Amino acid sequence: NAGVTQTPKFHILKIGQSMTLQCTQDMNHNYMYWYRQDPGMGLKLIYYSVGAGITDKGEVPNGYNVSRSTTEDFPLRLELAAPSQTSVYFCASSRGASTEAFFGQGTRLTVV
Amino acid sequence: GIQVEQSPPDLILQEGANSTLRCNFSDSVNNLQWFHQNPWGQLINLFYIPSGTKQNGRLSATTVATERYSLLYISSSQTTDSGVYFCAAGGGSQGNLIFGKGTKLSVKP
Repeated sequence: NAGVTQTPKFHILKIGQSMTLQCTQDMNHNYMYWYRQDPGMGLKLIYYSVGAGITDKGEVPNGYNVSRSTTEDFPLRLELAAPSQTSVYFCASSRGASTEAFFGQGTRLTVV
Repeated sequence: GIQVEQSPPDLILQEGANSTLRCNFSDSVNNLQWFHQNPWGQLINLFYIPSGTKQNGRLSATTVATERYSLLYISSSQTTDSGVYFCAAGGGSQGNLIFGKGTKLSVKP
């Protein structure tokens, strides 16, 4: 039972490049989320999805895009990477809006 | 929106000591979770506890929703308990969690 799986675990990106962080879950959860964690801080919501085909912005969406074509997958796209996007990114999922959320292992991204 | 405050921000314990971590939230919630972020950065689910009391081994948690706080108790602490403990609360239909800034726990042998 894999839960929430994120790839890659680590990545170094050059300023101006683009990349996609992958997230997949095998729990048939409807809700999926992307958060970022900056040093010494809690997590902040980037985007979320309440089901396939439905996505919406969170607290810090600028510079990111998402899509949700299947229940299982929720990729996060970074366009024109900037140093301010250096962070640890976490994907999470939950069955419903008020049920327990489960997190992936995180992706540590450095933009240089 | 909901605001989450955790205290204390830092805590240093001797192995074997007990501790209480506090989480205050500013509005009514339908989700309250405690996580342990280990030194490798993984977020480990400790408790899903929007109300009531739960226990899991040396750890227990209590949420008093009407007074808008939650407590995490760690008894007989071990060095492996070190890391950052996060409280996160949710109250909206979108289901996302609002995180506090965490309590950094260091357990010395």
